[in-house]
Amino acid sequence: GAVVSQHPSWVICKSGTSVKIECRSLDFQATTMFWYRQFPKQSLMLMATSNEGSKATYEQGVEKDKFLINHASLTLSTLTVTSAHPEDSSFYICSAPPGGAYPPNYGYTFGSGTRLTVV
Amino acid sequence: TQLLEQSPQFLSIQEGENLTVYCNSSSVFSSLQWYRQEPGEGPVLLVTVVTGGEVKKLKRLTFQFGDARKDSSLHITAAQPGDTGLYLCAGTSGTYKYIFGTGTRLKVLA
Repeated sequence: GAVVSQHPSWVICKSGTSVKIECRSLDFQATTMFWYRQFPKQSLMLMATSNEGSKATYEQGVEKDKFLINHASLTLSTLTVTSAHPEDSSFYICSAPPGGAYPPNYGYTFGSGTRLTVV
Repeated sequence: TQLLEQSPQFLSIQEGENLTVYCNSSSVFSSLQWYRQEPGEGPVLLVTVVTGGEVKKLKRLTFQFGDARKDSSLHITAAQPGDTGLYLCAGTSGTYKYIFGTGTRLKVLA
């Protein structure tokens, strides 16, 4: 089945530094990927839609300069948390619709998530 | 703004009991999905429903999509400790963007 590989699984960084999270579709092409943020014991909050070859679409309230998204190929999307601060600590998850159909009735395939801790 | 409210928010039951989780919205969705997420992992798709009134079964799990496609339910029969996790419904109005529900955290005690 379709697999989305996300890494790192966890990262600890110092306040003020930047962290890059990668999301790869291993056996399918993903023209669109989604980045979510999840706080402890809460649901997923969509941050942005990553589009291959074009600018990402950010949800209201998400800082574009803070969360840089790059979707340079059909199998790779990256999320860079710039100048990270403790309040950016969270669980970040990417997903992609492997079916390619519109709408994606086959569901999303999710990465395993990245736990970011900013100290 | 589309919202998906799930109830209950938390549920702790004994092994062997039955339970139902609800996912409600005032908006109409073209399709709705249910996911289960375990701690430290990404959500895993359980089922997709697209037709109003549709009922799907997955072993001990029964999913139903409301006739008006505004709500859905997940019923688990004879719950087992392995069913423990965060259950999320997610809906779309026809785009790639899914809205996730508020989540139901289930704990099944042995």
